Amino acid sequence: NAGVTQTPKFRVLKTGQSMTLLCAQDMNHEYMYWYRQDPGMGLRLIHYSVGEGTTAKGEVPDGYNVSRLKKQNFLLGLESAAPSQTSVYFCASSYSSEDQETQYFGPGTRLLVL
Amino acid sequence: AQSVTQPDIHITVSEGASLELRCNYSYGATPYLFWYVQSPGQGLQLLLKYFSGDTLVQGIKGFEAEFKRSQSSFNLRKPSVHWSDAAEYFCAVGVFSGGYNKLIFGAGTRLAVHP
Repeated sequence: NAGVTQTPKFRVLKTGQSMTLLCAQDMNHEYMYWYRQDPGMGLRLIHYSVGEGTTAKGEVPDGYNVSRLKKQNFLLGLESAAPSQTSVYFCASSYSSEDQETQYFGPGTRLLVL
Repeated sequence: AQSVTQPDIHITVSEGASLELRCNYSYGATPYLFWYVQSPGQGLQLLLKYFSGDTLVQGIKGFEAEFKRSQSSFNLRKPSVHWSDAAEYFCAVGVFSGGYNKLIFGAGTRLAVHP
């Protein structure tokens, strides 16, 4: 049981390049989330999904797209990377959203955009 | 609007000393409150959570937190800190809005432990 895993762990991009971050969970969770973590700002929600085939915007969705084609995977895409997207990205999942189920976090992906 | 404030950005304590990390929240309804810990290079791990009932909550690794509604606080405590407790600690409030469980995080408190 690996929990929540993220690929890659670290990436350097040039401005304008694109990339996809992969999140996978093996806990059969319905809900999945993408956050970004910036110094002094805690974690902010980018996008989330309440089930396979569904996605929705969070607090800071601009510049990102997501897809949830399979229940266990949640992809975060950057179509044209900008230096402002330099951050640490965390994926999380939870069994449900009711009753404030605990969110389980992956180890993070560190992204540097030059 | 909902928000979480962690007034201390950095705290340094000696090993064996007691610890208290402060957290204040702003939320109009009954809050769901969480403390997460992030060790260097790792993801976030849940330490403890408060939903209802007893306002003193016990968590993993010897941590506890007390919910005080009158002060809008949820401070984290540990009676004797170990060197392995050095990490960043995040307080969060859970809001159920728009059909999903939204976590609002504080900016975090980085804890250093002197031997």
